[in-house]
Amino acid sequence: GESVGLHLPTLSVQEGDNSIINCAYSNSASDYFIWYKQESGKGPQFIIDIRSNMDKRQGQRVTVLLNKTVKHLSLQIAATQPGDSAVYFCAENFLNQFYFGTGTSLTVIP
Amino acid sequence: NAGVMQNPRHLVRRRGQEARLRCSPMKGHSHVYWYRQLPEEGLKFMVYLQKENIIDESGMPKERFSAEFPKEGPSILRIQQVVRGDSAAYFCASSRTGEGHTFGSGTRLTVV
Repeated sequence: GESVGLHLPTLSVQEGDNSIINCAYSNSASDYFIWYKQESGKGPQFIIDIRSNMDKRQGQRVTVLLNKTVKHLSLQIAATQPGDSAVYFCAENFLNQFYFGTGTSLTVIP
Repeated sequence: NAGVMQNPRHLVRRRGQEARLRCSPMKGHSHVYWYRQLPEEGLKFMVYLQKENIIDESGMPKERFSAEFPKEGPSILRIQQVVRGDSAAYFCASSRTGEGHTFGSGTRLTVV
């Protein structure tokens, strides 16, 4: 998982497998969370969001899980594809400001 | 509907020069945020602006850095007397409501 201040964690998965990327957030009062994908040389791209009154939200091939008890967020990518290779960031919103994690680098092995 | 437009994409400045980074938010978005990213690090918040107002500049260095979002035209992040440590990617994001940022492609500043 990712945490502010550490070197970029890496995750390698085989094409077609499921990926799980984890994130520990800082503030128990954060009420909104977003996962972003950033490809090399590009800006972050919104993937999926979740509010603190939910514990799970699904999108197309992606699911975000929120565990407020342990301040943990995860992103699950089903049937990972080579195009999913990127750095993934979680962001928490607290008092209208976003705080980003360091990111996890996902590499998909064909 | 164009996304968030940042220019230039790449900017090279000598130490001591000024760097001006521009950001045009998405149409209809009145909230603009600037972030800085060092290699293999996350995004660090710098400043949050709405039209003609700085809402939160708690992430901005106290000296040499300034930002504006005028009534007309793009938001500008200005770095005076650049130093090597200012080399980074600077991203702008905009939103309609203060949530759900849409990011630009960034400006990569290199100070030589």
